[in-house]
Amino acid sequence: EIVLTQSPGTLSLSPGERATLSCRASQSVSSSSLAWYQQKPGQAPRLLIYGASSRATGIPDRFSGSGSGTDFTLTISRLEPEDFAVYHCQQYHRSPGSFGQGTKLEIK
Amino acid sequence: QLQLQESGPGLVKPSETLSLTCTVSGGSITSSSYYWGWIRQPPGKGLEWIGTIYYSGSTYHNPSLKSRVTFSVDTSKNQFSLKLSSVTAADTAVYYCARANSFLGGYYPYCFDYWGQGSLVTVSS
Repeated sequence: EIVLTQSPGTLSLSPGERATLSCRASQSVSSSSLAWYQQKPGQAPRLLIYGASSRATGIPDRFSGSGSGTDFTLTISRLEPEDFAVYHCQQYHRSPGSFGQGTKLEIK
Repeated sequence: QLQLQESGPGLVKPSETLSLTCTVSGGSITSSSYYWGWIRQPPGKGLEWIGTIYYSGSTYHNPSLKSRVTFSVDTSKNQFSLKLSSVTAADTAVYYCARANSFLGGYYPYCFDYWGQGSLVTVSS
């Protein structure tokens, strides 16, 4: 199984700042097979990014994804109050699909 | 707008079988290129991929769950289901059903673009 490690575990920032979240895979993952999700308390995850860098329908352009091989990044250019949530990465390069443990983005 | 809704008991006794059903509305479960999956999240923890089923009945489940998982699909009701046998407290989690979309590229098992709201299942005597 491909293990995904997200860092940091918690990121404390202020609205308007830039957020950089990392997802590292235990083995190489096709860049077409890496997704990011946002999850708010009591809600289901919401797809943000697929194929490492493509925004899902309705996702603002302040969200961007990049990376290849074993290192992937989610960047939020200017944080809005509604962006504070938990972010999960998922690989779908190989079964079983696997998720990272999540990064909590909290208001500083 | 596609919607998914989980249903089933919220409390299951240890050693018994957890059963959940996901009802899909706003689209057909028999649409090609979509797989229908289950993901769970223990309280305060991360997401765990359980597996997927295709409308034809083809399934794949996470080996970590060994042979305890059974998937089924009922195309006449636009539903798919999960059974998890011999449950323990470690199976306590919010269980989500979701759609895996091959149109978004990549490889099977694909990523999930629509999710149900989740169903909390507690394993306790």
